[in-house]
Formats: sequence, C-alpha cells, structure tokens
Amino acid sequence: RKEVEQDPGPFNVPEGATVAFNCTYSNSASQSFFWYRQDCRKEPKLLMSVYSSGNEDGRFTAQLNRASQYISLLIRDSKLSDSATYLCVVFRPGSARQLTFGSGTQLTVLP
Amino acid sequence: GAGVSQSPSNKVTEKGKDVELRCDPISGHTALYWYRQSLGQGLEFLIYFQGNSAPDKSGLPSDRFSAERTGGSVSTLTIQRTQQEDSAVYLCASSLDVVGAAFFGQGTRLTVV
Repeated sequence: RKEVEQDPGPFNVPEGATVAFNCTYSNSASQSFFWYRQDCRKEPKLLMSVYSSGNEDGRFTAQLNRASQYISLLIRDSKLSDSATYLCVVFRPGSARQLTFGSGTQLTVLP
Repeated sequence: GAGVSQSPSNKVTEKGKDVELRCDPISGHTALYWYRQSLGQGLEFLIYFQGNSAPDKSGLPSDRFSAERTGGSVSTLTIQRTQQEDSAVYLCASSLDVVGAAFFGQGTRLTVV
C-alpha cells in the first residue's frame, strides 16, 4: 500500500463549480500535511498547510481527519487558473524520506 | 536570492557522459531533497540531506547517481555514464526541519541523446 494515496482524476469541472479532492495516508505517526499544486512542466508549489482544526485560504479549504488518516481540499468558485495537478504531501519526522508526495489529482476547469 | 536556485535549467548531454546538477537552497534551510520527474509522472524521491546527518540515499536508482552537500548548503547531484532513461526533470527542494514544508527550485531538465 502506498504511504499517500490520491484519486488521480482527472476532474473536469465548469468554472464556478466546487470541487473536492481526497487523500489518505497510511502511517499514523505522520505529523504535518500539505497541499501543493503543480502546473504543467513547472515545479510543485506549496498551496497550503493542513491543520488539525481545518483551515481556509480564500476559496480553498483544507481538512484533516487524524482518526481516519484522511486529508481533503475543497476549492470553491473554481477559476480557469485553478487547472493544475494537486499533490497531497505528508511529513513524518524521523522517517527515512521525511516528505512523501501523493501521485497527484489532475484538475481541469472548463470555461 | 529568496528561493531555491537550480542550475543549469536545461542540459542536453550525450549518452555515456557525466553530468552535474547544482542546487542552492533557501538560506537557513537545513533539509534538502532531490527528486526527479519524468514527463507525466509523479515525483520520484532520490536523496535527502538533513543538517550534518548522513544522507538518506535510499531513492538513488543506481550507483551511477551520487550527491553531496557541502557546508550544509549547496548540493550537487552527479550522474555518471548517463543513459537515455535518465532523461527527466531533476527537482531540488529545501525545508526548515521543524516545519516540514518544502520549497522547490525550478528544476533542471536533463535530456540524454
């Protein structure tokens, strides 16, 4: 089983739609969680950290459920510019690799 | 600069040649990662440096790959006797140890012909 699993998509949604991505992680010792976005042929960029109480940044809301080992990202009022691959990332201190990336969920926002 | 800097941005090399890729992390970041990404694929972990600890080399695909980090700052990834399957984008990232969030450079696009 992969340490971080995501639905690869693709998700094709119209502008203005709300879309949600899910991610599960296998190791309960994981400590920190992040969402990154990666545009085509670009490097991954930090979108937001995910806190236990849930957090919001504009149109983006991240949730963490430690009991279920589940992370989510909600995008409201989708824009064309939101089209990208969204990567779920888990930080586990003391692990050999520290940061583990999911394989990503592809989003295309259609006009 | 404020961000992670990688050089060169593009490298075309002949099969069998050695290449060196450079990464200059964000100042003060103690952790440094190398990943590679083939077209349309996910990130493949290569190697991780944390402070003065021995690096985690578990992701290096073969003994043709090596990396070092001098003075806890700049890192070089060396690929010896390059093969066509080494063609990929090589990404470097750095992070503060405690926070964990990593910041990426723009990558080096390596093409082996």
